[in-house]
Amino acid sequence: NAGVTQTPKFQVLKTGQSMTLQCAQDMNHNSMYWYRQDPGMGLRLIYYSASEGTTDKGEVPNGYNVSRLNKREFSLRLESAAPSQTSVYFCASSLNRDTYEQYFGPGTRLTVT
Amino acid sequence: TQLLEQSPQFLSIQEGENLTVYCNSSSVFSSLQWYRQEPGEGPVLLVTVVTGGEVKKLKRLTFQFGDARKDSSLHITAAQPGDTGLYLCAGHLTAGNKLTFGGGTRVLVKP
Repeated sequence: NAGVTQTPKFQVLKTGQSMTLQCAQDMNHNSMYWYRQDPGMGLRLIYYSASEGTTDKGEVPNGYNVSRLNKREFSLRLESAAPSQTSVYFCASSLNRDTYEQYFGPGTRLTVT
Repeated sequence: TQLLEQSPQFLSIQEGENLTVYCNSSSVFSSLQWYRQEPGEGPVLLVTVVTGGEVKKLKRLTFQFGDARKDSSLHITAAQPGDTGLYLCAGHLTAGNKLTFGGGTRVLVKP
C-alpha cells in the first residue's frame, strides 16, 4: 500500500497562474483533508471532504477550490495563485470524520513569485 | 493567537538529556494527539489521548493529558539523534470536529 500520495512534490508558479494539486489514498478511507503548513503556524485546514460527494470549508479556504473526484482522490485547485499561497500543502485521510488518526501524504512545496 | 499553544518553539539538547514539550489551551478538548514530522515528509501520529489525566508511554516517550483536558505534555527520556524532528500537538474540540494543530516544537538532538 502506498498510503497517501501527492503530486507534484515541488512547484513554482507566477502570480496569477493556476494549478491543481493531486492527492490519492489507497486505504479505502472515507474522509480526506487539505492542509497548508507555514513556519510557526502548524497545519491549517483549507478544505475537507467527510465522505465521497461532500466538501466543506476549513479554516483558510479563500483562494482555493476542491474536488472529491471519487473515494480515492481529492484535488486542490488554485485558480489565480498569489504570493501569500506560498506554502507546503499536505493531503491527509482518515477512515471517517470521527476517527482520530489522520494519515498524511509527503507534501507539495509551492512557491508563488 | 492559536487555539493550541506549544512551547518551546525550538529546543536543542545533547544526546542522553531529557526534554519536555508542552501544549496548552484555554479550551477543553475531547482528544489530543501528538505527531512527529521529519523534513520533507508529512506528520506521523505518535499517540492519541482521550481521558483527562491519562498517561501513555511509547518506549522513551511519555505523553500526558491534563486533568481538565486543556493541556498535554510530551516527555522524552535520554533523547537520541533519531528523536530530532518537529513535534506537533493537535486536538478535536468535540468528536467529529475538525483537527486543530499547534504551531509545533522543533527538537534538535545533537550526538
